Amino acid sequence: GAVVSQHPSRVICKSGTSVKIECRSLDFQATTMFWYRQFPKQSLMLMATSNEGSKATYEQGVEKDKFLINHASLTLSTLTVTSAHPEDSSFYICSANPGRIAGGPSEDTQYFGPGTRLTVL
Amino acid sequence: EDKVVQSPLSLVVHEGDTVTLNCSYEVTNFRSLLWYKQEKKAPTFLFMLTSSGIEKKSGRLSSILDKKELSSILNITATQTGDSAIYLCAVNPGANSKLTFGKGITLSVRP
Repeated sequence: GAVVSQHPSRVICKSGTSVKIECRSLDFQATTMFWYRQFPKQSLMLMATSNEGSKATYEQGVEKDKFLINHASLTLSTLTVTSAHPEDSSFYICSANPGRIAGGPSEDTQYFGPGTRLTVL
Repeated sequence: EDKVVQSPLSLVVHEGDTVTLNCSYEVTNFRSLLWYKQEKKAPTFLFMLTSSGIEKKSGRLSSILDKKELSSILNITATQTGDSAIYLCAVNPGANSKLTFGKGITLSVRP
């Protein structure tokens, strides 16, 4: 149980295009999902907290108009990188919490998706 | 500001060695501490600790929390090359809350 998937796993795009990344909780519902970015040899950096049915909460320094987050259902959150530039190239990872409501192992444990490697040319 | 510090930042050992990875924290609210292993992809969950002094064990890995010292250790016995990874420690301040991560410890196990 507590499986989180991401799609696509890898994407290469041209500068100026937009890229959408999907994060799904496969066997539980998640009112909250988290989006992270990780540059090579660095730790995870939280970008935003995605809340089902309401606006995402962005961390300081993260442009909300550039990184659009939509949490349309209890099993799906999407991150759209708009007008991508080479400096947006990174490893994007989402996580979700099974929560007690879903009967998951623990409401505290966050499970990570496999990540999406974005390369902007 | 909440802070999680891991040490050492990296270490190299030989197969069969035992390693101890450290995590200390200074946070406003504490609910649990989590350990993750990250290889080439996203982190995979290892342990969640909430109570002081109770060891969690999974095979050759074990972890324990010391709330008085605001720290946790992750032990790996009889290390194998497959244990080579980055080990991340994170503190959860509350249910459905964002985690505060340490920078991670890079472990390299040589044959």
